[in-house]
Amino acid sequence: GAVVSQHPSRVICKSGTSVKIECRSLDFQATTMFWYRQFPKKSLMLMATSNEGSKATYEQGVEKDKFLINHASLTLSTLTVTSAHPEDSSFYICSATPSFTNTEAFFGQGTRLTVV
Amino acid sequence: GDSVTQMEGPVTLSEEAFLTINCTYTATGYPSLFWYVQYPGEGLQLLLKATKADDKGSNKGFEATYRKETTSFHLEKGSVQVSDSAVYFCALVYNNNDMRFGAGTRLTVKP
Repeated sequence: GAVVSQHPSRVICKSGTSVKIECRSLDFQATTMFWYRQFPKKSLMLMATSNEGSKATYEQGVEKDKFLINHASLTLSTLTVTSAHPEDSSFYICSATPSFTNTEAFFGQGTRLTVV
Repeated sequence: GDSVTQMEGPVTLSEEAFLTINCTYTATGYPSLFWYVQYPGEGLQLLLKATKADDKGSNKGFEATYRKETTSFHLEKGSVQVSDSAVYFCALVYNNNDMRFGAGTRLTVKP
């Protein structure tokens, strides 16, 4: 099946620094990718919809200046957590659906971010 | 490690048919279990969840019961509608570990 690669799988950073997470569709093109955040012991929360070549659409309550999303190509979307704080520590996961199809979404492996 | 095995799709049903999507899990303890739904062109939405054995999650006519003895969390709906056409994902979370998803099952309901 189709593969979505998310990198890094784990990252530890200091407060105040920025971290970039990449989401790549390895064998298909994805016009749209989604970014999710999982809070401890809770379910997933959709953060934003990433559209190739245009601005991302953020869910209510998600700070767009803090969570910068860039979808520069049909196979790559990036999420940058800017000026990270300990409360940003979480599990971030992306998903992608092949363009011009109605197939299921494929998920990245997720990224565990720890801000110290 | 923790994992989720979900019934492969696609599943095609006629409107008002009964739906079952099987989901079994492997976990070292007692995880929380979830069903997510993804409609075409949209992100995941939480459909229902259960946090302990014998709990039944329900929403929009869908139900799933946390069965510890069979390590299962099968999704059911008595009468599906065309609007239920989507992809359904089973998932688990154990303690503070990362969420694990099943592969997803595409459901198509025909009028």
